[in-house]
Amino acid sequence: EAGVVQSPRYKIIEKKQPVAFWCNPISGHNTLYWYLQNLGQGPELLIRYENEEAVDDSQLPKDRFSAERLKGVDSTLKIQPAELGDSAVYLCASSPGTSGSLDTQYFGPGTRLTVL
Amino acid sequence: SQKIEQNSEALNIQEGKTATLTCNYTNYSPAYLQWYRQDPGRGPVFLLLIRENEKEKRKERLKVTFDTTLKQSLFHITASQPADSATYLCAAQTGANNLFFGTGTRLTVIP
Repeated sequence: EAGVVQSPRYKIIEKKQPVAFWCNPISGHNTLYWYLQNLGQGPELLIRYENEEAVDDSQLPKDRFSAERLKGVDSTLKIQPAELGDSAVYLCASSPGTSGSLDTQYFGPGTRLTVL
Repeated sequence: SQKIEQNSEALNIQEGKTATLTCNYTNYSPAYLQWYRQDPGRGPVFLLLIRENEKEKRKERLKVTFDTTLKQSLFHITASQPADSATYLCAAQTGANNLFFGTGTRLTVIP
Protein backbone atom coordinates (compact mmCIF):
# COMPACT_ATOMS: atom_id res chain seq x y z
CA GLU A 1 0.00 0.00 0.00
CA ALA A 2 1.42 3.37 -0.99
CA GLY A 3 1.85 5.89 1.79
CA VAL A 4 1.05 9.58 1.80
CA VAL A 5 2.78 11.26 -1.11
CA GLN A 6 3.94 14.86 -1.02
CA SER A 7 5.65 17.02 -3.58
CA PRO A 8 7.93 18.75 -3.94
CA ARG A 9 10.24 17.47 -1.20
CA TYR A 10 12.20 20.69 -1.14
CA LYS A 11 11.41 24.21 -2.27
CA ILE A 12 13.50 27.36 -2.12
CA ILE A 13 11.86 30.66 -3.01
CA GLU A 14 12.39 34.34 -2.44
CA LYS A 15 10.14 36.21 -0.09
CA LYS A 16 6.92 37.60 -1.55
CA GLN A 17 6.79 34.78 -4.10
CA PRO A 18 3.92 32.27 -4.14
CA VAL A 19 4.44 28.59 -3.42
CA ALA A 20 2.22 25.50 -3.52
CA PHE A 21 2.50 22.07 -1.97
CA TRP A 22 0.66 18.96 -3.10
CA CYS A 23 -0.46 15.95 -1.11
CA ASN A 24 -1.99 12.64 -2.14
CA PRO A 25 -3.33 10.76 0.91
CA ILE A 26 -3.59 7.02 1.36
CA SER A 27 -6.37 5.65 -0.81
CA GLY A 28 -9.67 5.52 1.00
CA HIS A 29 -8.67 7.86 3.81
CA ASN A 30 -11.43 10.37 4.48
CA THR A 31 -9.52 12.84 6.63
CA LEU A 32 -6.56 14.88 5.47
CA TYR A 33 -4.40 17.19 7.57
CA TRP A 34 -1.82 19.83 6.83
CA TYR A 35 0.74 20.54 9.54
CA LEU A 36 3.60 22.98 9.89
CA GLN A 37 6.74 21.82 11.70
CA ASN A 38 9.45 24.23 12.73
CA LEU A 39 12.93 22.99 13.55
CA GLY A 40 13.02 21.36 16.97
CA GLN A 41 9.27 21.57 17.40
CA GLY A 42 6.35 19.20 17.01
CA PRO A 43 3.90 19.45 14.12
CA GLU A 44 1.20 22.12 14.44
CA LEU A 45 -2.13 21.66 12.70
CA LEU A 46 -2.98 24.15 9.98
CA ILE A 47 -6.14 22.63 8.53
CA ARG A 48 -8.15 19.42 8.66
CA TYR A 49 -10.40 18.14 5.90
CA GLU A 50 -13.09 15.51 6.14
CA ASN A 51 -13.68 14.47 2.57
CA GLU A 52 -13.80 17.80 0.69
CA GLU A 53 -14.93 19.91 3.64
CA ALA A 54 -12.48 21.94 5.73
CA VAL A 55 -13.79 21.16 9.22
CA ASP A 56 -11.05 22.92 11.17
CA ASP A 57 -9.05 25.78 9.67
CA SER A 58 -8.82 27.86 12.83
CA GLN A 59 -5.00 27.82 12.80
CA LEU A 60 -4.60 28.61 9.12
CA PRO A 61 -3.31 32.19 8.54
CA LYS A 62 -5.95 33.02 5.99
CA ASP A 63 -4.43 36.29 4.86
CA ARG A 64 -1.70 34.39 3.01
CA PHE A 65 -2.45 30.67 3.25
CA SER A 66 -5.12 28.79 1.37
CA ALA A 67 -5.90 25.14 0.85
CA GLU A 68 -8.23 23.02 -1.18
CA ARG A 69 -9.19 19.38 -1.42
CA LEU A 70 -11.17 19.01 -4.59
CA LYS A 71 -13.15 15.78 -4.92
CA GLY A 72 -12.08 14.80 -1.43
CA VAL A 73 -8.85 13.13 -2.53
CA ASP A 74 -5.60 15.02 -3.05
CA SER A 75 -5.00 18.47 -1.63
CA THR A 76 -3.00 21.60 -2.30
CA LEU A 77 -1.71 24.10 0.25
CA LYS A 78 -0.69 27.51 -1.05
CA ILE A 79 1.16 30.45 0.43
CA GLN A 80 0.94 33.83 -1.27
CA PRO A 81 3.02 35.80 -0.65
CA ALA A 82 5.63 33.84 1.30
CA GLU A 83 7.46 35.48 4.20
CA LEU A 84 10.79 34.63 5.79
CA GLY A 85 9.02 33.17 8.81
CA ASP A 86 7.24 30.61 6.64
CA SER A 87 10.44 28.59 6.32
CA ALA A 88 9.55 25.22 7.83
CA VAL A 89 8.55 21.68 6.93
CA TYR A 90 4.98 21.28 5.74
CA LEU A 91 3.60 17.85 6.55
CA CYS A 92 0.51 16.20 5.14
CA ALA A 93 -1.20 13.36 6.98
CA SER A 94 -4.30 11.26 6.44
CA SER A 95 -6.48 8.98 8.53
CA PRO A 96 -9.24 6.54 7.59
CA GLY A 97 -12.16 7.88 9.65
CA THR A 98 -13.76 11.19 10.49
CA SER A 99 -14.46 13.24 13.61
CA GLY A 100 -14.96 11.19 16.72
CA SER A 101 -13.36 8.06 15.34
CA LEU A 102 -10.23 6.83 17.03
CA ASP A 103 -7.66 6.97 14.28
CA THR A 104 -3.96 7.14 13.99
CA GLN A 105 -2.53 9.49 11.43
CA TYR A 106 -0.23 8.53 8.57
CA PHE A 107 2.24 11.21 7.62
CA GLY A 108 3.98 11.98 4.38
CA PRO A 109 7.68 12.89 4.24
CA GLY A 110 6.98 16.62 4.18
CA THR A 111 8.03 19.53 2.02
CA ARG A 112 10.91 21.57 3.35
CA LEU A 113 10.35 25.22 2.44
CA THR A 114 13.14 27.78 2.58
CA VAL A 115 12.21 31.42 2.04
CA LEU A 116 15.15 33.70 1.24
CA SER B 1 -3.72 27.52 27.15
CA GLN B 2 -3.40 23.82 26.38
CA LYS B 3 0.13 22.54 26.57
CA ILE B 4 1.99 19.33 25.85
CA GLU B 5 5.48 19.26 27.30
CA GLN B 6 8.17 16.71 26.76
CA ASN B 7 10.65 17.34 29.49
CA SER B 8 13.85 16.32 27.79
CA GLU B 9 14.96 17.84 24.55
CA ALA B 10 17.61 15.12 24.21
CA LEU B 11 18.34 11.84 25.94
CA ASN B 12 21.45 9.69 25.56
CA ILE B 13 21.50 6.13 26.84
CA GLN B 14 23.70 3.08 26.54
CA GLU B 15 22.63 0.22 24.30
CA GLY B 16 20.70 -2.42 26.20
CA LYS B 17 19.34 -0.01 28.81
CA THR B 18 15.74 1.14 29.14
CA ALA B 19 14.94 4.58 27.76
CA THR B 20 12.17 6.48 29.55
CA LEU B 21 10.63 9.55 27.94
CA THR B 22 8.19 11.87 29.71
CA CYS B 23 5.17 13.73 28.41
CA ASN B 24 3.17 16.14 30.60
CA TYR B 25 -0.01 17.96 29.66
CA THR B 26 -1.68 20.95 31.26
CA ASN B 27 -4.97 22.79 31.03
CA TYR B 28 -7.02 20.04 29.47
CA SER B 29 -7.88 16.37 29.68
CA PRO B 30 -7.07 14.41 26.55
CA ALA B 31 -9.10 11.32 25.83
CA TYR B 32 -6.10 9.63 24.25
CA LEU B 33 -2.37 10.00 24.03
CA GLN B 34 -0.39 8.85 21.05
CA TRP B 35 3.34 8.37 20.61
CA TYR B 36 5.11 8.81 17.28
CA ARG B 37 8.65 8.28 16.08
CA GLN B 38 10.26 10.73 13.67
CA ASP B 39 13.51 10.15 11.83
CA PRO B 40 15.41 13.04 10.19
CA GLY B 41 13.85 14.11 6.91
CA ARG B 42 10.77 11.97 7.42
CA GLY B 43 7.27 12.37 8.74
CA PRO B 44 6.21 10.99 12.13
CA VAL B 45 5.29 7.30 12.34
CA PHE B 46 2.66 6.06 14.78
CA LEU B 47 3.85 3.75 17.56
CA LEU B 48 1.29 3.43 20.35
CA LEU B 49 -2.02 4.84 21.52
CA ILE B 50 -3.34 4.77 25.08
CA ARG B 51 -6.79 5.74 26.28
CA GLU B 52 -7.45 7.75 29.44
CA ASN B 53 -8.98 4.72 31.16
CA GLU B 54 -5.96 2.54 30.42
CA LYS B 55 -3.00 2.53 32.75
CA GLU B 56 -0.51 0.81 30.50
CA LYS B 57 -0.08 -0.42 26.93
CA ARG B 58 2.66 -2.60 25.50
CA LYS B 59 3.94 -3.44 22.05
CA GLU B 60 7.05 -5.56 21.74
CA ARG B 61 9.83 -3.58 23.47
CA LEU B 62 7.66 -0.50 23.89
CA LYS B 63 5.52 0.39 26.87
CA VAL B 64 3.46 3.50 27.51
CA THR B 65 1.65 4.57 30.68
CA PHE B 66 -1.04 7.19 31.22
CA ASP B 67 -1.49 8.76 34.67
CA THR B 68 -4.46 11.16 34.61
CA THR B 69 -3.76 12.25 38.20
CA LEU B 70 -0.24 13.36 37.41
CA LYS B 71 -1.30 14.42 33.89
CA GLN B 72 1.62 12.49 32.54
CA SER B 73 2.53 9.74 30.11
CA LEU B 74 5.75 7.76 30.22
CA PHE B 75 7.16 6.01 27.17
CA HIS B 76 9.65 3.19 27.71
CA ILE B 77 11.89 1.38 25.26
CA THR B 78 13.45 -1.69 26.85
CA ALA B 79 16.68 -3.32 25.65
CA SER B 80 17.36 -0.21 23.56
CA GLN B 81 19.27 -0.51 20.30
CA PRO B 82 21.12 2.07 18.18
CA ALA B 83 18.30 1.69 15.61
CA ASP B 84 15.94 3.17 18.22
CA SER B 85 17.75 6.51 17.90
CA ALA B 86 15.17 9.04 16.68
CA THR B 87 12.93 11.84 17.90
CA TYR B 88 9.87 10.66 19.80
CA LEU B 89 6.75 12.81 19.82
CA CYS B 90 3.90 12.69 22.29
CA ALA B 91 0.51 13.84 21.02
CA ALA B 92 -2.73 14.43 22.89
CA GLN B 93 -6.07 13.86 21.25
CA THR B 94 -9.44 15.16 22.33
CA GLY B 95 -12.79 13.82 21.15
CA ALA B 96 -12.34 15.12 17.62
CA ASN B 97 -9.46 13.88 15.58
CA ASN B 98 -7.06 16.76 16.17
CA LEU B 99 -3.68 15.94 17.65
CA PHE B 100 -1.65 18.39 19.71
CA PHE B 101 2.02 17.48 19.61
CA GLY B 102 4.78 18.05 22.11
CA THR B 103 8.17 19.33 21.02
CA GLY B 104 9.69 15.85 20.99
CA THR B 105 12.63 14.14 22.68
CA ARG B 106 15.66 13.25 20.60
CA LEU B 107 16.88 9.84 21.76
CA THR B 108 20.40 8.63 21.02
CA VAL B 109 21.31 5.04 21.87
CA ILE B 110 25.06 4.68 22.19
CA PRO B 111 26.56 1.34 21.11
